[in-house]
Amino acid sequence: GAGVSQSPRYKVAKRGQDVALRCDPISGHVSLFWYQQALGQGPEFLTYFQNEAQLDKSGLPSDRFFAERPEGSVSTLKIQRTQQEDSAVYLCASSLRTGMDEQYFGPGTRLTVT
Amino acid sequence: GENVEQHPSTLSVQEGDSAVIKCTYSDSASNYFPWYKQELGKRPQLIIDIRSNVGEKKDQRIAVTLNKTAKHFSLHITETQPEDSAVYFCAASMTLGGTALIFGKGTTLSVSS
Repeated sequence: GAGVSQSPRYKVAKRGQDVALRCDPISGHVSLFWYQQALGQGPEFLTYFQNEAQLDKSGLPSDRFFAERPEGSVSTLKIQRTQQEDSAVYLCASSLRTGMDEQYFGPGTRLTVT
Repeated sequence: GENVEQHPSTLSVQEGDSAVIKCTYSDSASNYFPWYKQELGKRPQLIIDIRSNVGEKKDQRIAVTLNKTAKHFSLHITETQPEDSAVYFCAASMTLGGTALIFGKGTTLSVSS
């Protein structure tokens, strides 16, 4: 079946612009996670949804970051007033139930802020 | 919160040799420990995982061991092949009040033929 997909795959934004990153999880997967991966580093947790409920947003680095999953499937990560330090690959992952199940990752969106 | 340390950061081996990557974690409540392989520009892919009720798990050339007392776990790859070259990440999941994976910083494995 189809895996996790993300769009766009690449995004270049000028500093100060707003961006929206989309994640389509595997159909039927209850849990959805967003991670940020800086160059040469491991993924860092941003936020977690169980269905449409955002249960953990402790990893969001500032109030410029906002995520939603209104119907419990597709999720959008929005970054307002982008800064250079926001440049990274943003990975989405989904799992069937809780975090104890395998998390399947999408290909990521590479964001470059100039 | 949970902290995962991973060593070494780079590892070079000859084809056919074994490779070992070690991780330590800080939160004794963690009880799920996956290992991901990430090739350049690609998504992380799960290669093996272990839960805290098991001390060792093996899948063909790959094995993972877990020492809950010492809070460390290791990935063992035997008979390495050039296609094993990639970045490997260990992770731990905090299951009490959270389900996010906390990743190590990664190990770049290079297998030369």
